[in-house]
Amino acid sequence: KNEVEQSPQNLTAQEGEFITINCSYSVGISALHWLQQHPGGGIVSLFMLSSGKKKHGRLIATINIQEKHSSLHITASHPRDSAVYICAVSKGGSEKLVFGKGTKLTVNP
Amino acid sequence: EPEVTQTPSHQVTQMGQEVILRCVPISNHLYFYWYRQILGQKVEFLVSFYNNEISEKSEIFDDQFSVERPDGSNFTLKIRSTKLEDSAMYFCASGGGYNEQFFGPGTRLTVL
Repeated sequence: KNEVEQSPQNLTAQEGEFITINCSYSVGISALHWLQQHPGGGIVSLFMLSSGKKKHGRLIATINIQEKHSSLHITASHPRDSAVYICAVSKGGSEKLVFGKGTKLTVNP
Repeated sequence: EPEVTQTPSHQVTQMGQEVILRCVPISNHLYFYWYRQILGQKVEFLVSFYNNEISEKSEIFDDQFSVERPDGSNFTLKIRSTKLEDSAMYFCASGGGYNEQFFGPGTRLTVL
């Protein structure tokens, strides 16, 4: 069983829509990361959080430690948001990141 | 803004050859990592490096792999005798602590 599960696997939206991507994990963590991977392959760190909520521009990330669940929201989505969004966790006592399979987001104009 | 850089961006090699992938981490970072992503699969941890030694490694990181920080700025991953299944995107990351990690753009390794 994967330690980090994301849903949905694929998501298609119209420009302007509100997007939610979910991440559940089954292990104790010290932090959860949301990352963005563009078609060229490079990975960009969006958020690192261990509790509560963080906001950066149109992106919002939340985490519920008790429920072992995090969400990434994109408000007013735009075609340039099209990418793979990856959830990854730092397991307690370890520095390595354990990755989910990613959610491929396509935003159509 | 400081960033992690990696060279080359694409490396093509013959099976059995040695390859060295290079990374320049962010200058004041102390923690260094290599990850790989086989095409169509999720990113996997290979190794972490701190205080000039390996701090953690995965099952994938067998005797064919080694890491080095030869000169205080570069961080390298060497694969001694490449196999077809080593074809993947290899990402270097660095962090200053407290779980933060910043990723480089990746090196696409193709083993023929």
